[in-house]
Amino acid sequence: GENVEQHPSTLSVQEGDSAVIKCTYSDSASNYFPWYKQELGKGPQLIIDIRSNVGEKKDQRIAVTLNKTAKHFSLHITETQPEDSAVYFCAASISYGNNRLAFGKGNQVVVIP
Amino acid sequence: DTAVSQTPKYLVTQMGNDKSIKCEQNLGHDTMYWYKQDSKKFLKIMFSYNNKELIINETVPNRFSPKSPDKAHLNLHINSLELGDSAVYFCASSRLEFTGELFFGEGSRLTVL
Repeated sequence: GENVEQHPSTLSVQEGDSAVIKCTYSDSASNYFPWYKQELGKGPQLIIDIRSNVGEKKDQRIAVTLNKTAKHFSLHITETQPEDSAVYFCAASISYGNNRLAFGKGNQVVVIP
Repeated sequence: DTAVSQTPKYLVTQMGNDKSIKCEQNLGHDTMYWYKQDSKKFLKIMFSYNNKELIINETVPNRFSPKSPDKAHLNLHINSLELGDSAVYFCASSRLEFTGELFFGEGSRLTVL
């Protein structure tokens, strides 16, 4: 089945620096790749997504890049702020059977003021 | 107005009891889901319903029974609770099945003693 791996599991950055989280996936037919942010005590919330016909997408300080050949995609956060501290989940669509998402195990990002 | 609301937010109960978690969405979405998040933050899908019809039942013990009285509600009933059922349970909804944004509730933290 689809396997989504995220790394690093924990990332600490100084406020103002950039943070990059990488995900790899195994199903070459996956075509939808969202990123979710989960703040403490809350449910995950979509922050950005990308479809397989696009290589990069940007929304203010966050961007996602997709390399279909290598089957990996990355979340980039620039000019990090304390409110960026959260758990970030990547996911990839599964092409077989019922459409569904496979989530990675999450990355804890800590922004140090 | 909360888009996806679930109750209760916290639930502490003894092993062997039966409990229910309720979920309602006011987004007019056709698809609703239950996810389980364990202590390591891993998000795992349990069920998905599309227009009150069960679409995904992801190898969940039959002690867990979802019920969708209408497309705006998806409740989760758990019989004979076990220690391993302790987790945070998230309800979510989407306009289309897994091809767009998932809107998560705030979660229901279940603790089985």
